[in-house]
Amino acid sequence: QSVLTQPPSVSAAPGQKVTISCSGSSSNIGYNYVSWYQQLPGTAPKLLIYDNNKRPSGIPDRFSGSKSGTSATLGITGLQTGDEADYLCGTWDTSLSAYVFGPGTKVTVL
Amino acid sequence: QVQLQESGPGLVKPSETLSLTCSVSDYSISSGYSWGWIRQPPGGGLEWIGSIFHSGSTSYNPSLESRVTISVDTSKNQSSLKLRSVTAADTAVYYCVRPRGYSYFDYWGLGTLVTVSS
Repeated sequence: QSVLTQPPSVSAAPGQKVTISCSGSSSNIGYNYVSWYQQLPGTAPKLLIYDNNKRPSGIPDRFSGSKSGTSATLGITGLQTGDEADYLCGTWDTSLSAYVFGPGTKVTVL
Repeated sequence: QVQLQESGPGLVKPSETLSLTCSVSDYSISSGYSWGWIRQPPGGGLEWIGSIFHSGSTSYNPSLESRVTISVDTSKNQSSLKLRSVTAADTAVYYCVRPRGYSYFDYWGLGTLVTVSS
């Protein structure tokens, strides 16, 4: 069982917006940076957001990240069929002395 | 663009040692940065295994620490993972990654499936 909680799935029509939550505690999200990863079916995860809200080079600004207290949120605007994937959050957990990941949220484009 | 490629046996017997190598391209390991490993069981979530920092110090997931060793070979520009006394629960896709401190992982290998079975 992960110490981070994500909804199992979210869905929306093409062009719409979805938000994915990642809930933790003061020992992980509340104290450390959050990153987000996109995992397309059968492929390795890819970094989407780091340090709560920064995008690596090449990641479109349709993807955004934010953090408040012990929760973080990934937003995807202008949803495309190519965005269908699992999205995972991650952060360091100070109590566990381990990097932890959320269970992932599957995004479906209707 | 840094490229990471995992290699090693796809099948390991229970109680034996899982050994994987990560070959790094387009970047010299000796120049800096950390290197690490993450695994994902079939249909499961990601689990951080550990990281080795440029200083040579290591940090391992406490749940695996007693069985794990991560090292680098700068002459071969490779990182390696050894996981001892494996069981079926260690069956997973193993990813080589480049950690940025304790914050995130910016480069990932394609992953390699290791099955533990007799």
